This record gives sequence, C-alpha cells and structure tokens, in this order.
Amino acid sequence: SAVISQKPSRDICQRGTSLTIQCQVDSQVTMMFWYRQQPGQSLTLIATANQGSEATYESGFVIDKFPISRPNLTFSTLTVSNMSPEDSSIYLCSVIIVQGQPQHFGDGTRLSIL
Amino acid sequence: KQEVTQIPAALSVPEGENLVLNCSFTDSAIYNLQWFRQDPGKGLTSLLLIQSSQREQTSGRLNASLDKSSGRSTLYIAASQPGDSATYLCAAPYSGGGADGLTFGKGTHLIIQP
Repeated sequence: SAVISQKPSRDICQRGTSLTIQCQVDSQVTMMFWYRQQPGQSLTLIATANQGSEATYESGFVIDKFPISRPNLTFSTLTVSNMSPEDSSIYLCSVIIVQGQPQHFGDGTRLSIL
Repeated sequence: KQEVTQIPAALSVPEGENLVLNCSFTDSAIYNLQWFRQDPGKGLTSLLLIQSSQREQTSGRLNASLDKSSGRSTLYIAASQPGDSATYLCAAPYSGGGADGLTFGKGTHLIIQP
C-alpha cells in the first residue's frame, strides 16, 4: 500500500476564512478522492480529484466551496472556502493505486471552525 | 445511488468470542466491497477487499463474505481480543465501478471486554 500524508493534521480556524489541505502520496496512484466525516457520522464522498482537469463533485458539494486541485499523480489539495461552524469535520484523502485494488486513506485533517 | 446499512450499530462482547458484523447494500452491480476499521481519533485502516467474483476473503482472524445477489456482506471475527475494539465500516463503490469513490455504512462500534 501507499504512504499517504495529509497536512495539516488539525487546525482551528475563524469563520469566513479558507484553509487548504494537502495530500501527498509516496508513489503514483490511479485515483484520488476527498471525503468528509462530520462529528459522530460516517464518511461522505466530496469529490474525485482528476489529474490535470476539474474534479468530479458529488451531490451537495460544489467547486466554489470545495475547490480541488490535482496537478500530478501523487499530490492533491482540497480547499474549504468561506468556512462556517458547519464545516467543522474531519477531511480525509484516499487513493487507489491500481484500479480494482483496495482504497487507502490518510489520517485525516481535523478542522474546527470558531 | 448506492446505500449501505450496517447492523448492529454497537456491540459489546467478552474477550474470546466469535462475532459477526453485517452489511447490506442496495446496488448489487458492484465490482468489490471493502471493510475498514477506524480507531478513535484516527484515519481508516483497510481490512479486506472482496472482489465481485469472490465469495470470501480471509486475513488472519478476519473473514469477509460477499453475496451480491442478496446485497449482503458479513465480517466474521474469530477469537476476539481487546485490541479489536474499534468502529468497523463497510463500504461499496458509489456506482459499481472498480475505481469509484465509496459509499460507507454508519459502522458497527465494537467493544471487546477483557
């Protein structure tokens, strides 16, 4: 499996600000995804990060709020824009190295909005 | 749209018991199904991936089964230990493909009493 590093691991932010979360993988991967885990809840897929093109967003998530970049096969960023307390969650990056293989997750970024 | 349900939501058993966690999914046109564990404050650890062509997959004391026709999977844990205490999550691909994001169940919170 790949080693997936997320930065920052946690942060406390003021409402109205934006935060960019980085996901770095130690090897090239086929697919990269971003998920959100709200307090006490399970994971929800935000989007698929597509290399060199716009991300594919799931219902309820929009690019203006969660812009995503994936410039190459090992790196992606998720920005949480104009944050409100409702955005307080854990944000997780995941990868699939080769199609059909297991999906692996980073340790997540714990985000609190005051 | 895929929906995943897990039963029971919580389970507490004495050490040494064998136990079964249940997962059901609505869209049976899946390539695979994955089981994870999540420890408090941590990311997800992949336990087992079952391909649609398989009926069972084993790793140590863990055995996962898949019945696509009935839309069900089970995770069997043999000879449970206190270190098995965690939340266990079942996840199926969003739209059936082998490189899709995942839809997660709400998990089974497992406590193994010493």
